Amino acid sequence: AQSVTQLDSQVPVFEEAPVELRCNYSSSVSVYLFWYVQYPNQGLQLLLKYLSGSTLVESINGFEAEFNKSQTSFHLRKPSVHISDTAEYFCAVSDLQTGANNLFFGTGTRLTVIP
Amino acid sequence: DTEVTQTPKHLVMGMTNKKSLKCEQHMGHRAMYWYKQKAKKPPELMFVYSYEKLSINESVPSRFSPECPNSSLLNLHLHALQPEDSALYLCASSLYPGGGGGTGELFFGEGSRLTVL
Repeated sequence: AQSVTQLDSQVPVFEEAPVELRCNYSSSVSVYLFWYVQYPNQGLQLLLKYLSGSTLVESINGFEAEFNKSQTSFHLRKPSVHISDTAEYFCAVSDLQTGANNLFFGTGTRLTVIP
Repeated sequence: DTEVTQTPKHLVMGMTNKKSLKCEQHMGHRAMYWYKQKAKKPPELMFVYSYEKLSINESVPSRFSPECPNSSLLNLHLHALQPEDSALYLCASSLYPGGGGGTGELFFGEGSRLTVL
């Protein structure tokens, strides 16, 4: 079975500063990895995903995440945050066998960007 | 069209009421899901429909009754709910169910916020 750990429940950061949201996973099989973002009073939106290939994946709004198999991590980074990035961020993992039927979410990290 | 549409956005109901939540997608996805999300918590899987058949029920109480009338629609019928059932109910879809090439990439609706009095 898989599990996901997001150690930081809350991350406050000043506007235009860099940020890293940490995600570690455990799995005995090959995995797919995701970051979902949830803005206040909204559903979840896929931010970026790692399925295979290049270990560095990027989103259209400046976030990036790097799959590190040896450290079983998939940390999310942004070099300069904006007020609009304030949201809850969920890391999630699924495996090649069960796919979407077994998507494990981390407990979430609340990113608050301070003006 | 890359949207999952949920109605209503807000619902207040008493413990003796019967109501339904609706979800619709027109992306040709063959799997649809209901999740329950409490405040400051990750979503919890409730039900999975694969090719319009119920494939997973995560031990959800019978006061929640899912229905999949066709490949684009998913309903969640509510009856005799308890105040602790108050939550955000999220519908999601994926191109394929688990296995069969499904990757776990889900498309979520904006949710229906349910308050049980």
